Amino acid sequence: GQSLEQPSEVTAVEGAIVQINCTYQTSGFYGLSWYQQHDGGAPTFLSYNALDGLEETGRFSSFLSRSDSYGYLLLQELQMKDSASYFCAVNTGGFKTIFGAGTRLFVKA
Amino acid sequence: AAGVIQSPRHLIKEKRETATLKCYPIPRHDTVYWYQQGPGQDPQFLISFYEKMQSDKGSIPDRFSAQQFSDYHSELNMSSLELGDSALYFCASSPLAGGTYEQYFGPGTRLTVT
Repeated sequence: GQSLEQPSEVTAVEGAIVQINCTYQTSGFYGLSWYQQHDGGAPTFLSYNALDGLEETGRFSSFLSRSDSYGYLLLQELQMKDSASYFCAVNTGGFKTIFGAGTRLFVKA
Repeated sequence: AAGVIQSPRHLIKEKRETATLKCYPIPRHDTVYWYQQGPGQDPQFLISFYEKMQSDKGSIPDRFSAQQFSDYHSELNMSSLELGDSALYFCASSPLAGGTYEQYFGPGTRLTVT
């Protein structure tokens, strides 16, 4: 089967740094994406890693290790508005994407 | 900037009825995806289209069908609706430019089956 594992919940304080991990087991792998979704809203694209290494976009960074089937999303200088669900997603080939169950991030003042 | 448009935003149907959801991708995006998301769940991939041809299928029931038209808009047709079909249905489009797979999601259609 295909699976993506990520923590169900993470809590952090404003201004802190938080890392959300994702491990995957899929029949194919073309890249790892991260999406943010606020309650009642649509998923919003954050980052994409096709190759090993770190991608940085503002306060968000994403890392991929293909040999370990592992990636993470790093959020720096946390703000209250970052409270949301974060999904890792794998493109398994063609135009098929499998999402993880999501990590709910709570940012406290 | 133009975004993905979905209609209707809300739909209420009774069991065994049919429903049609529409999606208008961002202009010049050549790939369309459909997802189903239940409460507190992750988006489940249903089906995708590339350049108006069906590309991949996921966990899409046989009661559902989809197509993409010459103007690139897509429709998801759902028949013999069941209570379990109640969910948020998202359409997403992707430009494939640069070889990335970033997907831009529409606001979703909330389907309630009673």
